[in-house]
Amino acid sequence: QKEVEQNSGPLSVPEGAIASLNCTYSDRVSQSFFWYRQYSGKSPELIMSIYSNGDKEDGRFTAQLNKASQYVSLLIRDSQPSDSATYLCAVNFNTNAGKSTFGDGTTLTVKP
Amino acid sequence: DGGITQSPKYLFRKEGQNVTLSCEQNLNHDAMYWYRQDPGQGLRLIYYSQIVNDFQKGDIAEGYSVSREKKESFPLTVTSAQKNPTAFYLCASSPGQNQPQHFGDGTRLSIL
Repeated sequence: QKEVEQNSGPLSVPEGAIASLNCTYSDRVSQSFFWYRQYSGKSPELIMSIYSNGDKEDGRFTAQLNKASQYVSLLIRDSQPSDSATYLCAVNFNTNAGKSTFGDGTTLTVKP
Repeated sequence: DGGITQSPKYLFRKEGQNVTLSCEQNLNHDAMYWYRQDPGQGLRLIYYSQIVNDFQKGDIAEGYSVSREKKESFPLTVTSAQKNPTAFYLCASSPGQNQPQHFGDGTRLSIL
C-alpha cells in the first residue's frame, strides 16, 4: 500500500464548476501537507500548504485537512481551463527527516 | 531573482557513459533533493541532502551518485550502472523540515 494515495483520475469538470481532489495518507504522525500543480512538461509549483486541521483558503483554492481521517483535499472553485494540470499531494511524515512523500497525482481537465 | 537553476535542459547519454546534471540554488536553502519522474508517474526520490557534506539515499538511488560540497550546489551523476536512465529529472530545495519544496525547471535525459 502506498503511503500517499490520490484519486487515480483523470478528472474532468466543466468550466465554472468546483473541482475536488482527494488525497489519503498512511497512519503515521504527519506534520505538513502540500498541494503542487504540474502542467504537462513542466516542473511542479506549490499551490497550498496546510499544517493544522480545518480549511485554508487562498483565492479560488481551498485545502482541507482532517488528520483523524488521514485525508487532505483540494477544492478549486470556478474552475478555469488554465487549471487543467496534474495535481500532486505531498506529505511530510514526522519520521522522514524533512522529506516529502508524493502521491502519483490526479490529472484535471477543465472543459470550456 | 532567487530560484533553482538546472542545466542542461536536455541531455543525451551514450551507452556506458556517465553524465552529470547540474543544480544550483540561490535561495539559501539548507535542504536539496533530486527526483526522477517517468511519463504519467509521480515523483520518486533519488537522493537528498539536508546539510553541506552530507546526503542520504532516497528510494531509487542505485545507479546514481551525488555530492554536496557547497550549500548552493547539488549535482547528480547518472552512472552507466543505471540501465534505464530515460526520464525527467527534477531538483528541488526547501528551507526547513516542514517547509514546501521549490523546484527547478528539470532536465530531460535520453539514451542515444
